[in-house]
Amino acid sequence: DIQMTQSPSSLSASVGDRVTITCRASQDINTYLAWFQQKPGKAPKSLIYAASNLQSGVPSRFSGGGSGTDFTLTISSLQPEDFATYYCQQYNGYPLTFGGGTKVEIK
Amino acid sequence: EVLLLESGGGLVQPGGSLRLTCAASGFTFRTYAMSWVRQAPGKGLEWVSAISGSAAGTIYADPAKGRFTISRDDSKNTLYLQMSSLRDEDTAVYYCAKGTHSGILSAFDSWGQGAQVTVSS
Repeated sequence: DIQMTQSPSSLSASVGDRVTITCRASQDINTYLAWFQQKPGKAPKSLIYAASNLQSGVPSRFSGGGSGTDFTLTISSLQPEDFATYYCQQYNGYPLTFGGGTKVEIK
Repeated sequence: EVLLLESGGGLVQPGGSLRLTCAASGFTFRTYAMSWVRQAPGKGLEWVSAISGSAAGTIYADPAKGRFTISRDDSKNTLYLQMSSLRDEDTAVYYCAKGTHSGILSAFDSWGQGAQVTVSS
């Protein structure tokens, strides 16, 4: 199975801050990498697919990058509605696997 | 607008069975792969099973193999997950997720609101 490791597991940031979350795959997954946002008690929301492509309706302050084994999710200017948990997921092969999540909290 | 609505969750005893349903609307259901993903209390996301568009193929995570069956009825725009021999560790919120194309290996672009499954005596 492909292991997905996210870092950090949590972070505190202020509104307006630039935030970067890292995701590392245990083997090369090309750009078959997605990012999701989840708020407490809610379903996940798809943000990015193919490492860097924004899903329809996702604000442009979100961006993704990377290929192979190392990937990033960046929020250029953190907004109040962005405080949530973020997950990466690989879809290069089965079983599909998710990272452990990064909780973004208010400083 | 894509809508996915899960139902069928509930409380079941260990060893029991349950069938989850995901009613889809807002897109041409038969042309997209679909998956089930679950989330145990306080834990992260875990993929469970996937089915390709037009049910050409199915695949399961190891914990689901031999106990869960994914299926779809394209005439009803509905996805199913039949779960049997349920264990305590199957307790979770179960989400259905829509793929971005018909192939069984696919990213997700939409999620349902989730169905709570609790396995307890």
